[in-house]
Amino acid sequence: GEDVEQSLFLSVREGDSSVINCTYTDSSSTYLYWYKQEPGAGLQLLTYIFSNMDMKQDQRLTVLLNKKDKHLSLRIADTQTGDSAIYFCAESPLSGGNKLTFGTGTQLKVEL
Amino acid sequence: EAQVTQNPRYLITVTGKKLTVTCSQNMNHEYMSWYRQDPGLGLRQIYYSMNVEVTDKGDVPEGYKVSRKEKRNFPLILESPSPNQTSLYFCASSLGAGVGDTQYFGPGTRLTVL
Repeated sequence: GEDVEQSLFLSVREGDSSVINCTYTDSSSTYLYWYKQEPGAGLQLLTYIFSNMDMKQDQRLTVLLNKKDKHLSLRIADTQTGDSAIYFCAESPLSGGNKLTFGTGTQLKVEL
Repeated sequence: EAQVTQNPRYLITVTGKKLTVTCSQNMNHEYMSWYRQDPGLGLRQIYYSMNVEVTDKGDVPEGYKVSRKEKRNFPLILESPSPNQTSLYFCASSLGAGVGDTQYFGPGTRLTVL
């Protein structure tokens, strides 16, 4: 079945860039998503990318997709303490309708 | 305000005592689903519903039931909860069931089964 993997933790200093990585196995993935989960809250959609794109930029967020290597990354520029959260990568396969397969989540800690 | 609400937010119960977690959305969305979140496993889909009276199993449906009698509500029912159902549960909804229809998540329900 589909599998989505992420590293569990990332620690950065305030003001630096953060890069969160994700790999997936389903070659039929059509949309790939990044969700943010703050403590005690639900998941908030940050951004998404369609599989025929290589890059998408949205203010401080840059998503890079390497479809050949099945690798997705989220870069957060000028990381702030408010960016501390768990970040989930998710993919939506062509055949799965709207079903999302999530990665394990990456806990981002921003230090002063 | 467009939102997905869940109740209760926190629940501690005992093995075998039936419980229901409610989910409601005010966006007239057709598609609704339930996920559970466990450490190191991410979110896994339990059940989903394409529309009223249309439900189907996700990846981990064992021990759960759902119903969709109205468009806005999608309750999750645990007939006989067991400790391995201790988890954080999320309800989500989207306009349709098409690929790319953005899913909106509720705030989560933390369930502990003793």
